[in-house]
Amino acid sequence: DAGITQSPRHKVTETGTPVTLRCHQTENHRYMYWYRQDPGHGLRLIHYSYGVKDTDKGEVSDGYSVSRSKTEDFLLTLESATSSQTSVYFCAIGQGANTEAFFGQGTRLTVV
Amino acid sequence: QKEVEQNSGPLSVPEGAIASLNCTYSDRGSQSFFWYRQYSGKSPELIMFIYSNGDKEDGRFTAQLNKASQYVSLLIRDSQPSDSATYLCAAFSGGYNKLIFGAGTRLAVHP
Repeated sequence: DAGITQSPRHKVTETGTPVTLRCHQTENHRYMYWYRQDPGHGLRLIHYSYGVKDTDKGEVSDGYSVSRSKTEDFLLTLESATSSQTSVYFCAIGQGANTEAFFGQGTRLTVV
Repeated sequence: QKEVEQNSGPLSVPEGAIASLNCTYSDRGSQSFFWYRQYSGKSPELIMFIYSNGDKEDGRFTAQLNKASQYVSLLIRDSQPSDSATYLCAAFSGGYNKLIFGAGTRLAVHP
C-alpha cells in the first residue's frame, strides 16, 4: 500500500470553529490533492499542490485554505466550518501525468 | 460545464455481460486519463490509465481514448457481481498540474 495517511479519520465539530485535516505521505510524491466527496458529485478538487509551497485552487476552494511547507505534509484548513462542509475528504498523492494517484483512507467530517 | 462528465447511472447489466462506461472531458490539454473503482465506504482504487489514442487492455478491462472527440470509455467484459461499484473517470491536465474527476457512474451487476 502507498504510504499515505490522513488524520483524523473522523471528526465532529461545531459551526464556526476552525478545523485542520492532515495528509502525510512517505512516498516523496510531488503532487498532493485534497478532494471532497458528496453524494451525486463524485470527487471534487478543493486545492492541490505541485511542490513545496506551490499550491493552487481547485473547483470548490471557497472556505478552504491549504499549506505545504514540506514534501510529506499537506494540510487542509476550514477557517470557520459551516454545515455545507460536512463531507468525506480524501487526500491523494501522485507523480503527475501517466502515473497512478493513490488515495488516503478518507476523513469523515461532520459540522453541527 | 464540468471538466469531466459521466453519466451517473445506475447502469445495470446481467452477470457475464459487457458493461460500457463513458466519459467526456473539456480540457484539450489533458494528457492522461484514469479509471478508478470505488466501493461504498472505501477509497478509490485505480483500474487502469490511458494516454494514447486507441485501446488499452488489461484482463477483463479495456480503456478506449479518442482525443479528437474528447472521449474516454471503459469496457468490462464478463461482468461479475463483485464489479458492482462506482466508477470514476479522471483527467490529468499537465498545463494546470491538476487531476479532475467526474461525478462517477454507479454500476450494478445482477446475477
